[in-house]
Amino acid sequence: DSGVTQTPKHLITATGQRVTLRCSPRSGDLSVYWYQQSLDQGLQFLIQYYNGEERAKGNILERFSAQQFPDLHSELNLSSLELGDSALYFCASSVGTLATGTGYTFGSGTRLTVV
Amino acid sequence: DAKTTQPPSMDCAEGRAANLPCNHSTISGNEYVYWYRQIHSQGPQYIIHGLKNNETNEMASLIITEDRKSSTLILPHATLRDTAVYYCIVRVDSSSNTGKLIFGQGTTLQVKP
Repeated sequence: DSGVTQTPKHLITATGQRVTLRCSPRSGDLSVYWYQQSLDQGLQFLIQYYNGEERAKGNILERFSAQQFPDLHSELNLSSLELGDSALYFCASSVGTLATGTGYTFGSGTRLTVV
Repeated sequence: DAKTTQPPSMDCAEGRAANLPCNHSTISGNEYVYWYRQIHSQGPQYIIHGLKNNETNEMASLIITEDRKSSTLILPHATLRDTAVYYCIVRVDSSSNTGKLIFGQGTTLQVKP
């Protein structure tokens, strides 16, 4: 158990729908990162939050949004879902804003299937 | 962050050392070399990192060439559980940077009995 909790583990939904993925970071970690892993694109960084504020943005679609709440958990909202959004979505957390060594931990992911 | 090149796949016999190469010829002086692995759709797992000196921990050793243009991750006694995709990443660790990791395609290591 990495200490990073992602829910749900699996999600199946229809095209056009909206879903919310949840991530609870490891205790004491202030940064949360979201990654998408699809078969054709590999692991791609989406967005980072640090202590409630957006810190960095990657190739995140406008249909996707995220936020980090005062208790430091984060949610990734995916709307107007398309078949191509089917992927594994990983959350990671770290104490600070950097990815230094063992202090950067990934969760076990949410597998999203859009049908 | 500098780009890395890794072979797409490698095989290794169980119990033997697995040597995974990574080329990072455009690495800058302040960029670290990181290695992660991903076992069958699980979240990526940190293995080791280094700047210019060789590093060793309980999981692996990292050998960085003197010119820092390439490195090798060594798993000294590979087991079947080491079968995974191994990612080599170079990045700057500074307060002005962010924590995002840029993953390439990695090397799929297959450990065979």
